[in-house]
Amino acid sequence: EPEVTQTPSHQVTQMGQEVILRCVPISNHLYFYWYRQILGQKVEFLVSFYNNEISEKSEIFDDQFSVERPDGSNFTLKIRSTKLEDSAMYFCASNGPFQETQYFGPGTRLLVL
Amino acid sequence: AQSVTQLDSHVSVSEGTPVLLRCNYSSSYSPSLFWYVQHPNKGLQLLLKYTSAATLVKGINGFEAEFKKSETSFHLTKPSAHMSDAAEYFCVAMDSSYKLIFGSGTRLLVRP
Repeated sequence: EPEVTQTPSHQVTQMGQEVILRCVPISNHLYFYWYRQILGQKVEFLVSFYNNEISEKSEIFDDQFSVERPDGSNFTLKIRSTKLEDSAMYFCASNGPFQETQYFGPGTRLLVL
Repeated sequence: AQSVTQLDSHVSVSEGTPVLLRCNYSSSYSPSLFWYVQHPNKGLQLLLKYTSAATLVKGINGFEAEFKKSETSFHLTKPSAHMSDAAEYFCVAMDSSYKLIFGSGTRLLVRP
């Protein structure tokens, strides 16, 4: 069964460093998303991406964040200069042309020290 | 704005007894609703979804949920809990721009 994969599973970084979180969506999916879950809080939407551009972004998704689909398979989230409050679990999701169901990856746990 | 409320942060049941996880939503229209489950150190797995067809939705592993518009509820049930059901459960709504709005989650504990 096809699935969304994410790497790395865990990342520890120093405040101010850049991180890139990687996702491989399901191969025939067209819509891609990033969500995050800060420990003890709700899962919250960051950004949606379709046809090589951002469809929608939340208030959290400021200039420090960017997304890219550098080739036909990967979908990346870059945080330019990490802050302590960026520590969270980051989930990638994708869905097909009818946008009915989003399928999630296992997440990347990011810890900023 | 849409919101999803899960009324219980923790639910504890004995193995073999029924499970009820409660969820209420607020929306100006009938949204698509989902239940996802997250086992420890795993991703979010879709349990079931409601997309304006039948109001009683059957999912995987014996779970089902009933959409009740008059009560704006979408409670998740299972007749008989199994130890492997212990996990965190999220009630989720899809908004008009297809992004997901999550509830705060309910942690289900199953006692032997």
